[in-house]
Amino acid sequence: ETGVTQTPRHLVMGMTNKKSLKCEQHLGHNAMYWYKQSAKKPLELMFVYSLEERVENNSVPSRFSPECPNSSHLFLHLHTLQPEDSALYLCASSPGTGGPPQHFGDGTRLSIL
Amino acid sequence: EDKVVQSPLSLVVHEGDTVTLNCSYEVTNFRSLLWYKQEKKAPTFLFMLTSSGIEKKSGRLSSILDKKELFSILNITATQTGDSAIYLCAVEVDEYGNKLVFGAGTILRVKS
Repeated sequence: ETGVTQTPRHLVMGMTNKKSLKCEQHLGHNAMYWYKQSAKKPLELMFVYSLEERVENNSVPSRFSPECPNSSHLFLHLHTLQPEDSALYLCASSPGTGGPPQHFGDGTRLSIL
Repeated sequence: EDKVVQSPLSLVVHEGDTVTLNCSYEVTNFRSLLWYKQEKKAPTFLFMLTSSGIEKKSGRLSSILDKKELFSILNITATQTGDSAIYLCAVEVDEYGNKLVFGAGTILRVKS
């Protein structure tokens, strides 16, 4: 148990569907992150929120839309995804406002049909 | 382009062996180097290194950074089957500290 909870654990969707990934942490951390982990590729940073404000958008296509309604919750809204978007999406958090992530969730395994 | 390279890509050892995992980097604005262990899903944080030559230890794991030669090693002594995992190296690259560049990882399998 890392303190970071992601739901759902697995998601299969068509290219025209709209779905959302959810991340929740009750560690009192100030920063939350979305990472993408594809097969045989390094972890890629997607978005960073610090104190509910987006501070990093790492050239991610607009079909991925993050939302951070409060410091404990982070969403990733998905719309008209492509097959190459199939991957493990990891959420992470860190205590400070400007440090590396220290706690990761178990991820959502996303498959695009 | 910032780059982190880990070697070997995979490794199979027997219980009790000692292993050394390597991480080299080329980045424009180095802040720190981090090691994570990824077993089933969630990477877990192991070490954060900022200064050259100072070894960090946690049980059977230790790590050291060489900022002149731009690399780090992670040592695991007396390996156990529970050490089987992917070991990820990442470099923190900007002043704000939010951006990590990850290596592809080393897959370690410890056989009993």
